[in-house]
Amino acid sequence: AQSVAQPEDQVNVAEGNPLTVKCTYSVSGNPYLFWYVQYPNRGLQFLLKYITGDNLVKGSYGFEAEFNKSQTSFHLKKPSALVSDSALYFCAGISNTGNQFYFGTGTSLTVIP
Amino acid sequence: DTAVSQTPKYLVTQMGNDKSIKCEQNLGHDTMYWYKQDSKKFLKIMFSYNNKELIINETVPNRFSPKSPDKAHLNLHINSLELGDSAVYFCASSQESRANSPLHFGNGTRLTVT
Repeated sequence: AQSVAQPEDQVNVAEGNPLTVKCTYSVSGNPYLFWYVQYPNRGLQFLLKYITGDNLVKGSYGFEAEFNKSQTSFHLKKPSALVSDSALYFCAGISNTGNQFYFGTGTSLTVIP
Repeated sequence: DTAVSQTPKYLVTQMGNDKSIKCEQNLGHDTMYWYKQDSKKFLKIMFSYNNKELIINETVPNRFSPKSPDKAHLNLHINSLELGDSAVYFCASSQESRANSPLHFGNGTRLTVT
């Protein structure tokens, strides 16, 4: 069965410190991987995606993610966290031959001033 | 100029009633979806339509019936509402011809069944 896992329900980080939100995947074929952010009472917003090529992907708001095929991971990172980064983050994957996205269970990020 | 818009934003109703949620996208996308987000924030795919044709139909009670009059609209009708239907329902769209195309979400409809 295909799936995406986010092992941490909650991540707390001090403002200005680097942040990491973890994601692992089990997607058939060549996976396409995505990160989304959800602010309160809003829909999910696309942050970045990995399709092919460079394993380090840069996205919106200074976020980046590293695709690691051997560890089947796609962790989201930011060098210096802002209080405004506090939100719910979702990792998602889809097979290059598939038509269904698989979402992780979400990680709530809190950046402490 | 909202890309994916859904109405209403809030819906409060009693058990047993029938209600509809509407969704429209102006992105020219081929594929539209309905997702359910429960109280724990878990996202679950319900339906997917490509050019008005049903593609994905997950294990959802048949009280839920999607309708796509054209590829820019995907409405969700719910019959005989139950307490457990309370959730936030998200409409989304993507360019199906490209599996690497991200989803674009509406802002959700918070359904409360009393």
